[in-house]
Amino acid sequence: DIQMTQSPSSLSASVGDRVTITCRASQGIRNYLAWFQQKPGKAPKSLIYAASSLQSGVPSKFSGSGSGTDFTLTISSLQPEDFATYYCQQYNSYPWTFGQGTKVEIK
Amino acid sequence: QVQLQESGPGLVKPSETLSLTCAVSGYSISSGHYWGWIRQPPGKGLEWIGSIYHSGSTYYNPSLKSRVTISVDTSKNQFSLKLSSVTAADTAVYYCAREVSYDSGSLWGQGTMVTVSS
Repeated sequence: DIQMTQSPSSLSASVGDRVTITCRASQGIRNYLAWFQQKPGKAPKSLIYAASSLQSGVPSKFSGSGSGTDFTLTISSLQPEDFATYYCQQYNSYPWTFGQGTKVEIK
Repeated sequence: QVQLQESGPGLVKPSETLSLTCAVSGYSISSGHYWGWIRQPPGKGLEWIGSIYHSGSTYYNPSLKSRVTISVDTSKNQFSLKLSSVTAADTAVYYCAREVSYDSGSLWGQGTMVTVSS
């Protein structure tokens, strides 16, 4: 199985901050990488697919980059509604696997 | 607007079989995409269980493969999950999803909590 490792596991940030979350794959996954946002008690919501393609309806403050083994999710200006847990997922090889999550909290 | 809705018992006894159904509206399963199941134990991360194409082709997580069956009913526009010989470790929120494709990200149902307990 491909292991997905996110860093950091949690972070504290202020409204208006630029936030970057990293996801590393244990082997190359081309650009078959998705990012999700999950709020407490809710289902994950797709933000990014194919490493950098913005899901329809998702604000442009979210962006993704990377290819191969190293990927990033960036939130350009953190807003109160962005405080949540973020997950990456690879879909290059079965079984699909997720990162352990990054919890973004209010400073 | 595509929507997915999970249904099934919220409580299952140990050693029995967990059965869930995902009803899809606003999109025909036969039109394409893989359709999958993912679970999340309380306070933990996400685990992909498996997925199915409308033709019936399936992929399963090897960690669960011996206990999992995913099936599709295109006439009812729904797909189902069966997980046999459950234990407390199978207690989780179970989500169904339309999986990511070349031109869109995945779309998830709201999830259903299943507790394994006697």
